[in-house]
Amino acid sequence: GENVEQHPSTLSVQEGDSAVIKCTYSDSASNYFPWYKQELGKRPQLIIDIRSNVGEKKDQRIAVTLNKTAKHFSLHITETQPEDSAVYFCAATTNTGGFKTIFGAGTRLFVKA
Amino acid sequence: ETGVTQTPRHLVMGMTNKKSLKCEQHLGHNAMYWYKQSAKKPLELMFVYSLEERVENNSVPSRFSPECPNSSHLFLHLHTLQPEDSALYLCASSQGWVAGEETQYFGPGTRLLVL
Repeated sequence: GENVEQHPSTLSVQEGDSAVIKCTYSDSASNYFPWYKQELGKRPQLIIDIRSNVGEKKDQRIAVTLNKTAKHFSLHITETQPEDSAVYFCAATTNTGGFKTIFGAGTRLFVKA
Repeated sequence: ETGVTQTPRHLVMGMTNKKSLKCEQHLGHNAMYWYKQSAKKPLELMFVYSLEERVENNSVPSRFSPECPNSSHLFLHLHTLQPEDSALYLCASSQGWVAGEETQYFGPGTRLLVL
C-alpha cells in the first residue's frame, strides 16, 4: 500500500543550529503536504504546508521544500530554540477521487540549550 | 486551542463495554476526521466526513462505528474493543476535504485504555 517514510526518527541539535527532517511518499497523486508539531501531551499543530504546484515555502525560521519528481519533501528549521523540541510529523494527502492522508512515523527533535 | 474539543479526555473500558467518544468543532468547518495515534506508529486516518456524509473509511474494524449528526459534531462509538485498540484517538476538522480546504485542526484527543 501507499506509505510515507520519515527520517531521522530522532534528531538532536545544539541551540542555534539548523534541523532538517526528510519525508518520501509513494503515491504520485498526493498533492498536499502538511507538517505538524506535537509537544508532549498536546495535540498536533500545523506549522507549515505546501501544495504540489509549489517547490518551496518559507515562514520565518521554518521552510519546506518539495521535489515532486523524486516524491520527496523536507522541513528545515533554522536558528533552533529549546521550544522547538517536539515530535514533528509529515503527511502526504491525496484529495482527487476520494480523500487519503498518510502520515510519517514522526521525528523527535531535541534542541539542547 | 478551543476550536476543536473532545470528551472524554481519558477513558478506561473493558472489552465488553460500549462507550462513545465525542468531538465538537467551533470553526465553522464542513469536514471532520477521526485518527488513531498508537505508540511508535504513524497517525492512522480512520474516518472522514464531509457535510455529514462519510467520504472515506480506511478499512477500520466494525467495532468502531462513527456518527456525524451535523457538521459540528462527530462521534466514535466503541464496542467489544480489544487491548490493541488502546491508543490516543484524535479528532480533526477542516474547511473541506478538497484542494485548498484541507488544512486540519486537531482536538486534544481521548486517551483510551482497553482492559
